[in-house]
Amino acid sequence: EPEVTQTPSHQVTQMGQEVILRCVPISNHLYFYWYRQILGQKVEFLVSFYNNEISEKSEIFDDQFSVERPDGSNFTLKIRSTKLEDSAMYFCASNFNGGNQPQHFGDGTRLSIL
Amino acid sequence: AQTVTQSQPEMSVQEAETVTLSCTYDTSESDYYLFWYKQPPSRQMILVIRQEAYKQQNATENRFSVNFQKAAKSFSLKISDSQLGDAAMYFCAYRSSGGGADGLTFGKGTHLIIQP
Repeated sequence: EPEVTQTPSHQVTQMGQEVILRCVPISNHLYFYWYRQILGQKVEFLVSFYNNEISEKSEIFDDQFSVERPDGSNFTLKIRSTKLEDSAMYFCASNFNGGNQPQHFGDGTRLSIL
Repeated sequence: AQTVTQSQPEMSVQEAETVTLSCTYDTSESDYYLFWYKQPPSRQMILVIRQEAYKQQNATENRFSVNFQKAAKSFSLKISDSQLGDAAMYFCAYRSSGGGADGLTFGKGTHLIIQP
């Protein structure tokens, strides 16, 4: 069964540095999402992406965040100047046509900011 | 804004028994979708079951079923004949019915322990 894949599984970065988290959604899916889960807290929606543009974003998704689909397979989340509070698990998800179709999640990237 | 509440941080059940995980939500919308996701220690979240709010019939998937009470805004998950592989974090999630790419709103999760 096709899966959403995320790399790296663990990223350690110095505070203030830029980090790019990578995701390969399922190939025929059209909607892409990023979520984060701070340790011990709930999973929070960050942003959704469709037709090469942001569709929805939460209050968390401020100017330090950006997303991109640089080619036909990758979907990236960039954090420009990382802060300690950005330490979290970041999950990528995708689904075929939004709506009630289940979102398929990747294994996540654990981001640790030092 | 919608909120999802899971009031049980942890539940424990004996193998082969039945357990019910609670979820309540708050919304002003009349049409929406509800989901239960399972997150085993391997971290990937897997869809367990989903329910469309316009459907009165409760969804079932093998040993998993829901009790959807729309008026009470309650969406509990029942796991029958619990197995060791059911041990995981379980998240209840809500999604608006609007078209497009709305994100899921998650509860805090319930850690389910299966006692052998």
